[in-house]
Amino acid sequence: KQEVTQIPAALSVPEGENLVLNCSFTDSAIYNLQWFRQDPGKGLTSLLLIQSSQREQTSGRLNASLDKSSGRSTLYIAASQPGDSATYLCAVNAGGSYIPTFGRGTSLIVHP
Amino acid sequence: SQTIHQWPATLVQPVGSPLSLECTVEGTSNPNLYWYRQAAGRGLQLLFYSVGIGQISSEVPQNLSASRPQDRQFILSSKKLLLSDSGFYLCAWSGTENQPQHFGDGTRLSIL
Repeated sequence: KQEVTQIPAALSVPEGENLVLNCSFTDSAIYNLQWFRQDPGKGLTSLLLIQSSQREQTSGRLNASLDKSSGRSTLYIAASQPGDSATYLCAVNAGGSYIPTFGRGTSLIVHP
Repeated sequence: SQTIHQWPATLVQPVGSPLSLECTVEGTSNPNLYWYRQAAGRGLQLLFYSVGIGQISSEVPQNLSASRPQDRQFILSSKKLLLSDSGFYLCAWSGTENQPQHFGDGTRLSIL
């Protein structure tokens, strides 16, 4: 059974720092991995999707990497801003399955 | 472009009352549809998913049921709500297993 772990569970940093959020999974036979952002009381917003054949994806100040063999993905946030404050979740899709496995998320606070 | 609508945004119901939450998707056909619950301090729990009209798979035995009367409509129901049904309910859709999931804005359900 796939298990997804996100470390740290919470993070508080001053504005301007570069951040790394970690996601690890136990079964490396994945199809893709997706990073989401969730603001308080809101739904999940998709940030980046990495296919199993890819090593990384970039969108603006966000960069997500994938290392299947070690069962890890990282979300890199450059020059963090207070508006980046949210919970970040990763979800792993196994091949042939319609059901992703979610981590519990990293709660990020960026203070001015 | 595809959009997902979920309503109501908030709902306060007494114990023992019925429930009906609706989710609709526009701009795509034959989507995979999902209902999740997110309880305070806990992760995202998959309740039901559907790969086609009338096809419902339940992930967790509970007081809830789901139906898909039309291709792009997904309904979460209960005949008698329990206190433990309180939480944040999220609807999501995806294409094939190769495609990202997209979430609605969620329904905050409080049971009194």
